[in-house]
Amino acid sequence: DQQVKQNSPSLSVQEGRISILNCDYTNSMFDYFLWYKKYPAEGPTFLISISSIKDKNEDGRFTVFLNKSAKHLSLHIVPSQPGDSAVYFCAARRPGNQFYFGTGTSLTVIP
Amino acid sequence: EAGVTQSPTHLIKTRGQQATLRCSPISGHTSVYWYQQALGLGLQFLLWYDEGEERNRGNFPPRFSGRQFPNYSSELNVNALELEDSALYLCASSLGAGVYNEQFFGPGTRLTVL
Repeated sequence: DQQVKQNSPSLSVQEGRISILNCDYTNSMFDYFLWYKKYPAEGPTFLISISSIKDKNEDGRFTVFLNKSAKHLSLHIVPSQPGDSAVYFCAARRPGNQFYFGTGTSLTVIP
Repeated sequence: EAGVTQSPTHLIKTRGQQATLRCSPISGHTSVYWYQQALGLGLQFLLWYDEGEERNRGNFPPRFSGRQFPNYSSELNVNALELEDSALYLCASSLGAGVYNEQFFGPGTRLTVL
């Protein structure tokens, strides 16, 4: 069963604007959350993460927000750039290093 | 520095056969993870090896098995292949078993079962 869900398969954003990618999860045992970026024919690459004891983590243009009560995670990219066009996966970790991934959101940044 | 490598890139088998997929981690990494990405699904956790031992496995039948060798490379074996085993199999490695150790992914092996 899909314990991590990304309900938007795709998102288009104008260059310079904010991209917001969303992720919902069902398992309250998850203690660590991550976002990965994937280009075609390559494996996913790590982007940013957040521990369950925090509600925000920032790294340059990328910010991840965690709302534990809503079991919701979001990734904000500001400003969006054409090179950000890729598939973004959210992932969550259960103790024992079991990682669960969403189905991905394909982001297109329009120049 | 070389990244995670996987072989073969593509593998075509028929139902009932066995498939062997290989993964070489980044030098110095002791943990190897295996994931299955079937069409329309997210990556599904299959197996985690660290220091040569199986540390955890996902909700997959026993015909999915593997091992990790002394040089930390790993093999995933799928016995008695079924059509629904057709998927992209991704391997990732990390420095160790710590929670915050970043996973680095290989490009994957595309397994097709006919």
